[in-house]
Amino acid sequence: DAGVIQSPRHEVTEMGQEVTLRCKPISGHDYLFWYRQTMMRGLELLIYFNNNVPIDDSGMPEDRFSAKMPNASFSTLKIQPSEPRDSAVYFCASSLGAGEVDEQFFGPGTRLTVL
Amino acid sequence: GQNIDQPTEMTATEGAIVQINCTYQTSGFNGLFWYQQHAGEAPTFLSYNVLDGLEEKGRFSSFLSRSKGYSYLLLKELQMKDSASYLCAVMDSNYQLIWGAGTKLIIKP
Repeated sequence: DAGVIQSPRHEVTEMGQEVTLRCKPISGHDYLFWYRQTMMRGLELLIYFNNNVPIDDSGMPEDRFSAKMPNASFSTLKIQPSEPRDSAVYFCASSLGAGEVDEQFFGPGTRLTVL
Repeated sequence: GQNIDQPTEMTATEGAIVQINCTYQTSGFNGLFWYQQHAGEAPTFLSYNVLDGLEEKGRFSSFLSRSKGYSYLLLKELQMKDSASYLCAVMDSNYQLIWGAGTKLIIKP
């Protein structure tokens, strides 16, 4: 398997623009997680899905952020409108389950810069 | 609240041993994970502990004491490639991972 795939790897945009990040989890994994990582706040869970259904979105910072998972092999995280404080590395991760021994496999991340 | 504490940065010498500590206070406990993250890369899984004691995996070992809310990651025979951040994460009663801020480990020749 190719692992978790994310695109784009780098995104530079201007404040106010819409940004869409994409993720393809490992085939057969039931759980998908979106994280944001910054120097100041470390790794933060934004939202996670189980079998394509959003389970917990309490980490989504505000209404400007939305995430979807239309099928088992694809998810998007959208920011509209984007702001400079959204600049961060966004990771997508997947796991077989959410149980105690199910490690999460991370994608390479999308480095987002909002000017 | 939920809290995980790790040192921000540590320095060690190539060939030596280093211990990275992690203390936690979480709502419930369903295991503790250690991940390694090289600069500019994604975190990768290193170890998992759910019972007290030491788990050894090659040059890396991880220890857990649930009564003390404490874990450490022990790295032996340090190599330059071990320079990375090491993230401690605890799975709480809702099976959600609570992440520490990470410890940046610098290896000097």
